[in-house]
This record gives sequence, C-alpha cells and structure tokens, in this order.
Amino acid sequence: QKEVEQNSGPLSVPEGAIASLNCTYSDRGSQSFFWYRQYSGKSPELIMFIYSNGDKEDGRFTAQLNKASQYVSLLIRDSQPSDSATYLCAVTHNYGQNFVFGPGTRLSVLP
Amino acid sequence: NAGVTQTPKFQVLKTGQSMTLQCAQDMNHNSMYWYRQDPGMGLRLIYYSASEGTTDKGEVPNGYNVSRLNKREFSLRLESAAPSQTSVYFCASSKIVPSNQPQHFGDGTRLSIL
Repeated sequence: QKEVEQNSGPLSVPEGAIASLNCTYSDRGSQSFFWYRQYSGKSPELIMFIYSNGDKEDGRFTAQLNKASQYVSLLIRDSQPSDSATYLCAVTHNYGQNFVFGPGTRLSVLP
Repeated sequence: NAGVTQTPKFQVLKTGQSMTLQCAQDMNHNSMYWYRQDPGMGLRLIYYSASEGTTDKGEVPNGYNVSRLNKREFSLRLESAAPSQTSVYFCASSKIVPSNQPQHFGDGTRLSIL
C-alpha cells in the first residue's frame, strides 16, 4: 500500500513568518513529488514539483526532498494571509501512472 | 485559456438515479483522470485514461464507469447513485506518462445524493 502522510493541521503562523509543511511517503520507489495548494471550495493548483534530492526554490516557495529519509517539505517564506489554504503533497512512481495524494495540511496565516 | 472544463458544477440526485459528469481539456494532454475528494480523505483516484482508447481502474472504481470519448473528453458515469457517492469530483489531465508530469485540475463537480 503506497501511503503519503501529512499533518492535517491547522498549522498557524503569523504573517511574515516561514511556514514549514511536511510530507512523508512509504514507497522507496517514489520518483516525483508535487505540492498543490487548494483554497476552500476550489480545485488544487500546482505550486511546484521536485525530482532530485536537495532544495528547489521558486519565489517564496522552497521544496526540499530527502529520499533517504522519505520526506518532502515545502517552505513558504514571508507568509501572507493569502497563503492560507490546504496544501496537498502528491507522490508518483516511474512504474505507475498515477499520483498518490496525502490528506493535506491546512495552513492559516494570521495577520 | 480554459484548461480543464467540468460540467455540471453542482448536481443533486436521488438514490438510484444515474448521471454522467463531463470533462474536457484543451491542452492537448494525453492522460486524463477522475478523482473524488471527501473531507479528511484527500484526493482518491477513481479511473484514469493514460491515452485515447485506454481506461484503467484507480483506487475506488466501484459504482462508476468511464468513457474516453476522444483525446479531449473523458466522462464519468454513475449508473445507480448511492449516498456514499456524495463528494466533490475533480477531473485532471497531464501531458504524457510516465507519471512525472504534473496534473492540471478542473474546477470540480459538487455532487449530493439524497
């Protein structure tokens, strides 16, 4: 059973702080890792993806991947109230065609 | 700049009724997917179509059927709706397999079954 786990939250951070969202996965064959943001009542939208160990930065967002420890994280710098949403982690495998989504972490950025 | 379009956006059905959810994408993607999202459960894959002419079961296929009508369109059918199928349904598409390609989602269909 391929599993992806996330802390459901809510994770509350003050405006301007760094929000750290974590995701762990059970299948060592996992190859690709995606972070989606989902506002309440809306569809998931892709924030970024990472394939290789290490950090990948895109604006205020940084994805960090550690395959040995089987976790991927998303850092949001200078958090804004508009970042308040549920963040979904998704994991795929080269031998499969599908994403496995975690349950999501709800982030609340307090003004 | 439509992307993935789903219809209808909202629907209320009675137990035992049937209906088809429609999905179309204009990004020339080969692969399409149907998910359901329930509170606390995340997104669960119902069916997917890796390419035109093929469909396969996902994690929760029971009670559903799909049709890949052409490269653009992928429909989901509930033959005899049950209250347990009350959910938000999302259609998604991706460029190609293998599965390291990001998926792009439609706006969803909110379905209630009484």
